[in-house]
Amino acid sequence: NAGVTQTPKFQVLKTGQSMTLQCAQDMNHEYMSWYRQDPGMGLRLIHYSVGAGITDQGEVPNGYNVSRSTTEDFPLRLLSAAPSQTSVYFCASSPGTPQTSGYEQYFGPGTRLTVT
Amino acid sequence: AQTVTQSQPEMSVQEAETVTLSCTYDTSESDYYLFWYKQPPSRQMILVIRQEAYKQQNATENRFSVNFQKAAKSFSLKISDSQLGDAAMYFCAYRSAFPLGGRRALTFGSGTRLQVQP
Repeated sequence: NAGVTQTPKFQVLKTGQSMTLQCAQDMNHEYMSWYRQDPGMGLRLIHYSVGAGITDQGEVPNGYNVSRSTTEDFPLRLLSAAPSQTSVYFCASSPGTPQTSGYEQYFGPGTRLTVT
Repeated sequence: AQTVTQSQPEMSVQEAETVTLSCTYDTSESDYYLFWYKQPPSRQMILVIRQEAYKQQNATENRFSVNFQKAAKSFSLKISDSQLGDAAMYFCAYRSAFPLGGRRALTFGSGTRLQVQP
């Protein structure tokens, strides 16, 4: 298994540009999520999905859109990039139910995004 | 809302020595999970150890162990026989055992950077 994969690893955008960060997992996990990591802070939840077709907002959702058309993929879209979105982005997935084996989250390698 | 506090931005330890990283959290819930994640320069988030709040016994994984004090809402990580490869950022994280709407969000502390001196 490749686990959780993210592309690209690095990206530079100009203010106002749009792009999609890709995330895929091959572990058949129902739960997937996106976090951002800023200097001096831990990871903060952007959006999450409990299954295909179901998404919801996390702690810092403004400026980001998500969709979940398949179990495997959970892309994160920036519609109009802003310098405040300069960050490292992590995708994570988790199996099972929260009350059973699903408390471990598997993280992708991250995408470093710079918006100038 | 839950909060997680790591009051040590940086720590340093000599190789082969023992170091303890501190973490405190605030919650009104009685059932939850606590985690320590390691983030080396590669950026990859690696789960080091986890603790279920209902378990009184402290979790142990090889050289890593925790001191879980539920009443004090404290969750420290002890690294024994420190190795150069232990140098990394360490994050403490909290997760509800019964998250509303299935939201299995981890709440992270701000991290502690651990340096290991040869």
